[in-house]
Amino acid sequence: QVTLKESGPTLVKPTQSLTLTCTFSGFSLTTSGMGVSWLRQPPGKALEWLAFVSWNDDKRYSPSLSSRLRITKDTSGNQVVLTLTDMDPGDTATYFCVGPLFGIRRPGYYAHWGQGILVTVSS
Amino acid sequence: EIVMTQSPATLSLSPGERATLSCRSSESFSHRVAWYQQKPGQAPRVLIYDASARAAGIPSRFSGSGSGTEFTLTITSVQSEDFTIYYCQQYENWPPSFGQGTKLEI
Repeated sequence: QVTLKESGPTLVKPTQSLTLTCTFSGFSLTTSGMGVSWLRQPPGKALEWLAFVSWNDDKRYSPSLSSRLRITKDTSGNQVVLTLTDMDPGDTATYFCVGPLFGIRRPGYYAHWGQGILVTVSS
Repeated sequence: EIVMTQSPATLSLSPGERATLSCRSSESFSHRVAWYQQKPGQAPRVLIYDASARAAGIPSRFSGSGSGTEFTLTITSVQSEDFTIYYCQQYENWPPSFGQGTKLEI
C-alpha cells in the first residue's frame, strides 16, 4: 500500500525559504525506475507541477520556478525534500507530493497523493 | 510547454444528466492525458489515464476519449457526489501541465 505525507512549516515570512519533506511508504527511491514529484495549488486555483526526482537522481523543475527550487532525495529512499527560496505571498498554496512515478522519459500521471500541506506566506 | 485549456469553466446540470467536459491542448499528441476529480479539502483523485483508461475503483459512468488536441471526460449520468471540480493533465512532455479546471455544479 502506497502512502505519502508532506511535512514542514505552515507559515513562512516573505523572503524566507520553505523546506518541505515528503515521507512515503510502499515503494522506494532506491528502486530503479521510481520517481516522486511535488505540485502545489493556491487557494481556489488550479494545480501546478513544481519538481521531480528519480531513483538515479535525475531532476526536473518547473521552468518558471527553476531558479528558486531544489529537490533532493535521502539515501534511505523514502524521503524527498523540496526547497523553495525567496518566498512571496503568491507562493501561498497547498503543496502535494505524488508517487511512485515510473521512468524519466515522460512525467506520468498521479495515482497516489499525499494529503497536502497548506503553506501561508505572510509577515 | 504544452498549455491545457478546459471548457466550460462551469457546467450546470441536474442529477441524472450527461456531463461532457472538454480539454484542448496547445500541441497535438496521442493519448497521455489524465483526468482528476477534486473535492473540497481533498487531494485530487485520478479518474482516467491514457485518455480513456479508467483508474482502479472508478465507476463506469466516467469515461474518457480523444486524441490530438481534443480530449473529453464524460459522465453518463451525473450523481450528487460528482458535483465538484475536474482537471485534465498532459504527461506527454516535460513539464507536465494541468488545465484550469471545470466546476460541475447543480
